[in-house]
Amino acid sequence: QQQVKQSPQSLIVQKGGISIINCAYENTAFDYFPWYQQFPGKGPALLIAIRPDVSEKKEGRFTISFNKSAKQFSLHIMDSQPGDSATYFCAASARGAAGNKLTFGGGTRVLVKP
Amino acid sequence: EAGVTQSPTHLIKTRGQQATLRCSPISGHTSVYWYQQALGLGLQFLLWYDEGEERNRGNFPPRFSGRQFPNYSSELNVNALELEDSALYLCASSSGIERGKNIQYFGAGTRLSVL
Repeated sequence: QQQVKQSPQSLIVQKGGISIINCAYENTAFDYFPWYQQFPGKGPALLIAIRPDVSEKKEGRFTISFNKSAKQFSLHIMDSQPGDSATYFCAASARGAAGNKLTFGGGTRVLVKP
Repeated sequence: EAGVTQSPTHLIKTRGQQATLRCSPISGHTSVYWYQQALGLGLQFLLWYDEGEERNRGNFPPRFSGRQFPNYSSELNVNALELEDSALYLCASSSGIERGKNIQYFGAGTRLSVL
């Protein structure tokens, strides 16, 4: 059962444009939502994360928007640069004995054209 | 400070063999997680170890097992290898949930190829 659905699977954006990646979740026990960036041959690296008590979090060119009632969250990459070309994963986790594991979305491959 | 280190980088095995993958967490981290990243399937949770104990496992057969040592390093064992076990195996470590944040740091992974 895929508990976190991510879209689109791939995205091409021009340099300076905005990249938008969306995720939807089902488990209302999720209380931590990180985004990871992965370059080829590397492990995922934490980019930015949000908890459900806030609706938006911004760090530099990266912004997470969170809609608790719709159970959706999204990543916006402003002023996209060729160096942002990577695969992005949304994830979610819930505290508790069965928690702590990260449940990942399927990933979005972003290509920023110069 | 060293990040999460995994060895070997690549591993080639044949069907039916056993594979052992190793992970050293960030110094001070007591939790180690294993994930499988198969082509086209995203990252799937495998196992979580904390303070030497297995705390949770994902929907994988018992052929996948592991352990955590007193120094918090960990190894993942895959027995009776099957072709579909070919994947990138990622290890992550964390110091637990702090202020509601479950921050996991990943290593570069071990690429397992089963021929």
